[in-house]
Amino acid sequence: GQSLEQPSEVTAVEGAIVQINCTYQTSGFYGLSWYQQHDGGAPTFLSYNALDGLEETGRFSSFLSRSDSYGYLLLQELQMKDSASYFCAVRHLSSGSARQLTFGSGTQLTVLP
Amino acid sequence: NAGVTQTPKFRILKIGQSMTLQCAQDMNHNYMYWYRQDPGMGLKLIYYSVGAGITDKGEVPNGYNVSRSTTEDFPLRLELAAPSQTSVYFCASSYLTGGRSGANVLTFGAGSRLTVL
Repeated sequence: GQSLEQPSEVTAVEGAIVQINCTYQTSGFYGLSWYQQHDGGAPTFLSYNALDGLEETGRFSSFLSRSDSYGYLLLQELQMKDSASYFCAVRHLSSGSARQLTFGSGTQLTVLP
Repeated sequence: NAGVTQTPKFRILKIGQSMTLQCAQDMNHNYMYWYRQDPGMGLKLIYYSVGAGITDKGEVPNGYNVSRSTTEDFPLRLELAAPSQTSVYFCASSYLTGGRSGANVLTFGAGSRLTVL
C-alpha cells in the first residue's frame, strides 16, 4: 500500500518562509503533488514533481528527492490568505491504473499577523 | 464552465436509509473519483472510473456503489447508511499535463456533507 507522512500543524508569521515536509512509501511511483484546502472548501492543485529538484510557481515551490522518498512545499512571503491545509499526494500505479492519487493527512498552516 | 458539480451540499440520513450523491463534470475528463474526508484527515479514495462503463474500487469501498453510464456523470450510492459514513464527500475529475509522467491534476467539486444519525 501507500503511506504518506506530513506534520499535522505549522505556524508562521506573515512575510515569513515556511517549509512543509512529506515523506512517502509507495510502489509504482510517478510523482508527488501538493493541494491546498481552505476551511470548508475543496482541495485545489498547487504543484507537481515527477523528477528530482525544485519546481517554482510564484511564491510557492515544491521539491522532490525520489531516492529519499521525500518532498516539501516551500511557501515564501506568507500572507494571511495562505492559512489553509496543505496535502501532499502521490501519483502511483494501482490496479492497472497509473492515475491513482493517495493523499496524506494534511498540514494545517496558520499564518499569524 | 461549471467544472465539477455535486448535489446535494448537505444531507442528514437516518441509519439504514439509502441515498445517491450526484456528480457531474463538463470538462470531458475520462477519469473521475469519489473521495471521503473525515474531520482533520486527508482524503480517502472510495471508487474511481477511467471512463464510461468502467469503475474500480479504491481504498474504502465498503458500503458504497458507483456507476458510470456517461462521461459526464458519476453518482455515488450509499446503501444502508451507518454513522461511520458521516463525512464530507468529494467528487473529482482529472486530466494529465505534460504527457505520461505528467501531473494527474484533480478538479474537485465543492463537496457533499453527509451526517448519519
